[in-house]
Amino acid sequence: DTGVSQNPRHKITKRGQNVTFRCDPISEHNRLYWYRQTLGQGPEFLTYFQNEAQLEKSRLLSDRFSAERPKGSFSTLEIQRTEQGDSAMYLCASSLLYYGYLNTEAFFGQGTRLTVV
Amino acid sequence: AQTVTQSQPEMSVQEAETVTLSCTYDTSENNYYLFWYKQPPSRQMILVIRQEAYKQQNATENRFSVNFQKAAKSFSLKISDSQLGDTAMYFCAFMKHKNSGGSNYKLTFGKGTLLTVNP
Repeated sequence: DTGVSQNPRHKITKRGQNVTFRCDPISEHNRLYWYRQTLGQGPEFLTYFQNEAQLEKSRLLSDRFSAERPKGSFSTLEIQRTEQGDSAMYLCASSLLYYGYLNTEAFFGQGTRLTVV
Repeated sequence: AQTVTQSQPEMSVQEAETVTLSCTYDTSENNYYLFWYKQPPSRQMILVIRQEAYKQQNATENRFSVNFQKAAKSFSLKISDSQLGDTAMYFCAFMKHKNSGGSNYKLTFGKGTLLTVNP
């Protein structure tokens, strides 16, 4: 499967626990995005990477959130001290930017659904 | 900041008929991209169709076409000959063009329209 892969698909955690999600983008894609989708809403931008560099973080990304993309390959999104308001679908997307030209199509993973109880 | 509004939370259509999903947006940019993405139940989101704002011609992809009205900031999606597999959540999305400054190419989504195609 050459698509974007996210693991786990579902995560239930107790409030206050830490969780980590993983995203494996399409192999040649140098751009990787994280979005959050809550019930009844469209996805909202959280952060993005170009290769291993995290270039922008949304104000939605509180200090409890951290994302990494070591070596410009897979990415992880960690939430520390989870709160019930963190319950959402976390989506990863990747795209290719080359020579300053972006293929504007973003390829999405199936998402990780987080439930904080 | 850009905003995208989809005023129809849910719609339904009979198989083989035509349906139009509405989207309006607000931006001060002159050049940008608009998209319709489809999110089937428990499946990943996929691109349906895209439009570059500087192109006058409306984009078409097989049974899917758009009506892009730049002055009105309207971007509707028409699905012809609806099929059961078209049942999904449809999101309208906006992306700034690189020439508008900033290169994050992030998507700003509307809240979505749940389309159900009935047999």
